[in-house]
Amino acid sequence: KNEVEQSPQNLTAQEGEFITINCSYSVGISALHWLQQHPGGGIVSLFMLSSGKKKHGRLIATINIQEKHSSLHITASHPRDSAVYICAVVSGGGADGLTFGKGTHLIIQP
Amino acid sequence: DTAVSQTPKYLVTQMGNDKSIKCEQNLGHDTMYWYKQDSKKFLKIMFSYNNKELIINETVPNRFSPKSPDKAHLNLHINSLELGDSAVYFCASSHRGWTDTQYFGPGTRLTVL
Repeated sequence: KNEVEQSPQNLTAQEGEFITINCSYSVGISALHWLQQHPGGGIVSLFMLSSGKKKHGRLIATINIQEKHSSLHITASHPRDSAVYICAVVSGGGADGLTFGKGTHLIIQP
Repeated sequence: DTAVSQTPKYLVTQMGNDKSIKCEQNLGHDTMYWYKQDSKKFLKIMFSYNNKELIINETVPNRFSPKSPDKAHLNLHINSLELGDSAVYFCASSHRGWTDTQYFGPGTRLTVL
């Protein structure tokens, strides 16, 4: 079974700062998802990646398959980025479903 | 139009009761899922349905049963509710499977008294 670790668990930063959230996993995967859970509880998919790097607006996600590690970066952070960011991996050829990390609680102060 | 919808949004009930949560997606996706988020906000997969076939049941008690009347719906039935079933339940869908973008419903907060 894949073990998914996220760091940091909590992060408070000032508006405008560059944010990095890390995700590591123990077993080879076929894909990795980054999700955002708003303070109101809704969950939105940010990225799904299996290699390399993806960018959407101020968000960038990278993955290093050899090192079993992914990062989510937020440039020019804004208070509306305050949310819980969750990493989830697809392993076992999909038979194990999605295994989730415990999330990173991000607060961006104005 | 809401892509993935769930009803009800809140559900408060007594121990021992039987309840259902409904989920519908209008995205034309092939696969639907149920997730449970516990009080510590940890998400865990419960079920996945693809073309009316159950793919995964992740150590969920058999008091929980998914029912899919058609490709657009995956309802969750829970029998003999227990205190530990209190959680937020999310429905989701994706085009084919785990390596496609997941679209989540708004969640149903279940409280068992």
